[in-house]
Amino acid sequence: LAKTTQPISMDSYEGQEVNITCSHNNIATNDYITWYQQFPSQGPRFIIQGYKTKVTNEVASLFIPADRKSSTLSLPRVSLSDTAVYYCLVGVYNFNKFYFGSGTKLNVKP
Amino acid sequence: EAGVTQFPSHSVIEKGQTVTLRCDPISGHDNLYWYRRVMGKEIKFLLHFVKESKQDESGMPNNRFLAERTGGTYSTLKVQPAELEDSGVYFCASSQNSGTVQETQYFGPGTRLLVL
Repeated sequence: LAKTTQPISMDSYEGQEVNITCSHNNIATNDYITWYQQFPSQGPRFIIQGYKTKVTNEVASLFIPADRKSSTLSLPRVSLSDTAVYYCLVGVYNFNKFYFGSGTKLNVKP
Repeated sequence: EAGVTQFPSHSVIEKGQTVTLRCDPISGHDNLYWYRRVMGKEIKFLLHFVKESKQDESGMPNNRFLAERTGGTYSTLKVQPAELEDSGVYFCASSQNSGTVQETQYFGPGTRLLVL
């Protein structure tokens, strides 16, 4: 599995847009990029997944450049409830070996 | 639709005892995964079932851990005998095996195991 590198932590304020970038230099042709969110005392929760270019859903956008060696999760207008750890995962179909890494701890302040 | 459930939510046992964790995946999901996070470390993959068959158990730490999924529904993870280093949070996840590449794993809340 391609390993990922993310910032350990980030601070933001309510209402701001937050961009978390993940590096995955060794991503393989068949690998997809998936982001998960985890709150304390809960299991990780799927946010968004993409292969290339841009993907948008109701909670986030995912930007993937042409070389796919990095990806950026964009959270529009964060609120206090978005305080969580965000994991960038890279893996092939069926993801039978997720490698979570350390994740990015996002702290949203009032 | 009910999500992935795990039981118990917490377990405190003494070293040398046996503990069995249970996971009920989302109904209809063929794939079931076990992960764990030990104190201060990252979430690590343990094993993967496809229905009742073990697809990949390369992450199982040693032979004190036994996972089963009889009938291809719920799964159990038994630790016998438990050691101090087994303390951590054990997560279960499931996915549908829909045959597409947009496979998503849905995680349960985890079982917090403390071995004293």
